[in-house]
Formats: sequence, structure tokens, C-alpha cells
Amino acid sequence: NAGVMQNPRHLVRRRGQEARLRCSPMKGHSHVYWYRQLPEEGLKFMVYLQKENIIDESGMPKERFSAEFPKEGPSILRIQQVVRGDSAAYFCASSPQGWYEQFFGPGTRLTVL
Amino acid sequence: KNEVEQSPQNLTAQEGEFITINCSYSVGISALHWLQQHPGGGIVSLFMLSSGKKKHGRLIATINIQEKHSSLHITASHPRDSAVYICAVTGGGADGLTFGKGTHLIIQP
Repeated sequence: NAGVMQNPRHLVRRRGQEARLRCSPMKGHSHVYWYRQLPEEGLKFMVYLQKENIIDESGMPKERFSAEFPKEGPSILRIQQVVRGDSAAYFCASSPQGWYEQFFGPGTRLTVL
Repeated sequence: KNEVEQSPQNLTAQEGEFITINCSYSVGISALHWLQQHPGGGIVSLFMLSSGKKKHGRLIATINIQEKHSSLHITASHPRDSAVYICAVTGGGADGLTFGKGTHLIIQP
């Protein structure tokens, strides 16, 4: 049973470009969470999704950030018009039930030049 | 909003020592999580607990709901235990995890 998969593992973008981060949950998990870890800071919750639904996006920046978890395929975290302050590690986690024990992916390290 | 405090922030110990990391929070919760983040950045969920005590190998986690406090203990510590240990809480429902800043643990041989 493969764990949570994230890709790419490293992503470099120039200011103004778009970044798309993908997360495939563990088999049988329909709940996905995205977290951000800024350099030298702790983890911060961003968004909680179930298939085709956003359950809680209270941690998402109001502009440029969006997330989806379609019926088929991975969950996507999309950052439009990236800025240097978006450089961070973005972690995805999944669980079989809401706010149950979560299993984390390896993270995507985003660097904005 | 829940405030999560961890102590100590940094801890260096000798191999074999008994380690305790503390976590306190300000508002009632439905569950508390202990996570381990390795130097390479990967995150592993160690425990999720809402009451009492859980044990897995050399790791023990306890929680006191009335005191709003949890502890993570490592017995017979080993250099491979060196990592950042993170406490996180949730109120359940549509409520994001709130994280502590982490405890940087170094176990010297």
C-alpha cells in the first residue's frame, strides 16, 4: 500500500509564474489536508478537502491560492502569480476519516526566484 | 483560537537518557497529535490521542484533558531519535490543525 505521494518534490518558479502541486492520498483515504511550512517557521494548516468538496479553507491566503480534489485524480494546490514569500515546503496529508490520524507526504519544496 | 506551546524548544541529551517533551494548549480539543519531522523534512505521525496514554515501542504519549497538557516520552534514547517533535491539536469538525513550534531534539552518542 503506497503512502501519500506528492509531486514534484522540488519546484522552481520565477515570480509571476504559476505553481501546481499534486497530492495523491493513500489508497482508501478520501480526506486530504494541505499544510505550509515557511523557512524557520512551524507548520500552518491551509485547507481540508474531501472528494469534490472544500471542507475548511480557513488557512488559505485570500488571493492567488486555490485547491481542489476532483472525483478522479490527485488533489491540486495551485498558486497563481507566485511571489518570493511563497517559497516554502508544502505538505499534503490524508486520512480515512475527517480529522483522524493523518499520514503525510514527503512534501514539495517550492522556490520562487 | 487555540494556542499551542511546546517546551523545551531545544534539547540535547546523551544516548540512553529518558526524554520528555511537553505540550500545552489553551482551548479544549477533540484530539492531540504528536508528529516527528526528520532532518530531511519528512513528517511521520507518531500518535493521535484524546485521553489517557498510548505507547509504541520506546515512545509514550500522555494527555491530561483537564490540565490541557500532553507529554511525549522517549525511553532509552538513541541518536536516530534526533528530529523535530511537533505537537498539534484539533477541535474536530471543520477545524484546522494548530501546531506548536516544535522541539529540536539531538541525541549524542
